[in-house]
Amino acid sequence: AQRVTQPEKLLSVFKGAPVELKCNYSYSGSPELFWYVQYSRQRLQLLLRHISRESIKGFTADLNKGETSFHLKKPFAQEEDSAMYYCALSGQYNFNKFYFGSGTKLNVKP
Amino acid sequence: DTAVSQTPKYLVTQMGNDKSIKCEQNLGHDTMYWYKQDSKKFLKIMFSYNNKELIINETVPNRFSPKSPDKAHLNLHINSLELGDSAVYFCASSRGTNGIYEQYFGPGTRLTVT
Repeated sequence: AQRVTQPEKLLSVFKGAPVELKCNYSYSGSPELFWYVQYSRQRLQLLLRHISRESIKGFTADLNKGETSFHLKKPFAQEEDSAMYYCALSGQYNFNKFYFGSGTKLNVKP
Repeated sequence: DTAVSQTPKYLVTQMGNDKSIKCEQNLGHDTMYWYKQDSKKFLKIMFSYNNKELIINETVPNRFSPKSPDKAHLNLHINSLELGDSAVYFCASSRGTNGIYEQYFGPGTRLTVT
């Protein structure tokens, strides 16, 4: 069955510290992975997708098919990174069907 | 210039009532969605329409009925509301179905059933 797991509900780090938000997935076919972010009082929006292989706001994520993971990383966290982060999965069986994880709240302390 | 809008933002109602949530997108997208976010923050897809045609219909009680009068609108009607329906409902849209496209989300509607 398709599933996205984000094991951490809350992650607190100090400004300037590295941050890694974990995401593991289960998908029988070829997956496409995304990270969505929701800043306070804003709507959910796309942060990055693995096929783009780009860095957005200093964040990167590498798809590791062997470990079925798509962890989100940033070497130096900023206070403005504080938000709710959702990992999401879609794939070849149904392009429109996204499976979301339960989200990780990132709190960057000054 | 709101891309995906939902009304109302908050909805408080009693068990047994019938209510509707409206969604509109001005992005010219062909596909629209309804998601439910429960108290544990899980975001789960409920329905999806492409050009007014239902393409995703997850295991959702029959009390939930989506309606798409045109491809810019997708409304959600809920009959005989139950306590367990309390959640945040998000509408979203994307370009189409011939590829995996970014989904654009509305601000959410917080439904509280008392």
